[in-house]
Amino acid sequence: QVQLQESGPGLVKPSQTLSLTCNVSGGSINSGSHYWSWIRQPAGKGLEWIGRIYSGGYASYSPSLKSRVSISVDTSKNQFSLQLTSVTAADTAVYYCAREFMRGWFDPWGQGNLVTVSS
Amino acid sequence: QSALTQSRSVSGSPGQSVTISCTGTSSDVGDYKYVSWYQHHPGKAPKLMIYDVTKRPSGVPDRFSGSKSGNTASLTISGLQTEDEADYYCCAYAGGYTFWVFGGGTKLTVL
Repeated sequence: QVQLQESGPGLVKPSQTLSLTCNVSGGSINSGSHYWSWIRQPAGKGLEWIGRIYSGGYASYSPSLKSRVSISVDTSKNQFSLQLTSVTAADTAVYYCAREFMRGWFDPWGQGNLVTVSS
Repeated sequence: QSALTQSRSVSGSPGQSVTISCTGTSSDVGDYKYVSWYQHHPGKAPKLMIYDVTKRPSGVPDRFSGSKSGNTASLTISGLQTEDEADYYCCAYAGGYTFWVFGGGTKLTVL
């Protein structure tokens, strides 16, 4: 059974880069029929899709974050990563990684990693 | 402001039924069959409950059902149980530029 687990710093200073990694266990990230996505949830707000990557390295991003986001994949480590540059307090959120089925749903999700942007 | 509109809260007693609605536009909910629903207990990983508007993953009780009419999707939970108390989020595909949009979430309270 595939499981995902996010890891990374819980505190990032304004203007710096937020970096998170999602480790995939119980299955290969090279499955060929899935994307690997990042989704976030600011406190008290709804979910927001950030972007996704295919095992071959092709990534797609939310238009609202595209200028600051980069998602990469390391198939040798069975993990994928998120970088969000020039962060502000508005980027404070719980960040989730999830497997995205090509026909349109997310399953499973990681437990989430709270990232606070503060000096 | 989330792209999809959900009521903030809904409540019901054990054994009753509740319906959670999710309103989008003709560019997302109304245009594609890719609507999914997630159950989220705070501090835990969100769980897929419904995909492709009406389909239930293996292991999800048949008390959970999904439907869609026009630009509004709905999740109905029948025979409410206390463990159903959680936040529920809808999600819809919005095309190859925006990709995915979510609702703001509905808090279900089982009285």
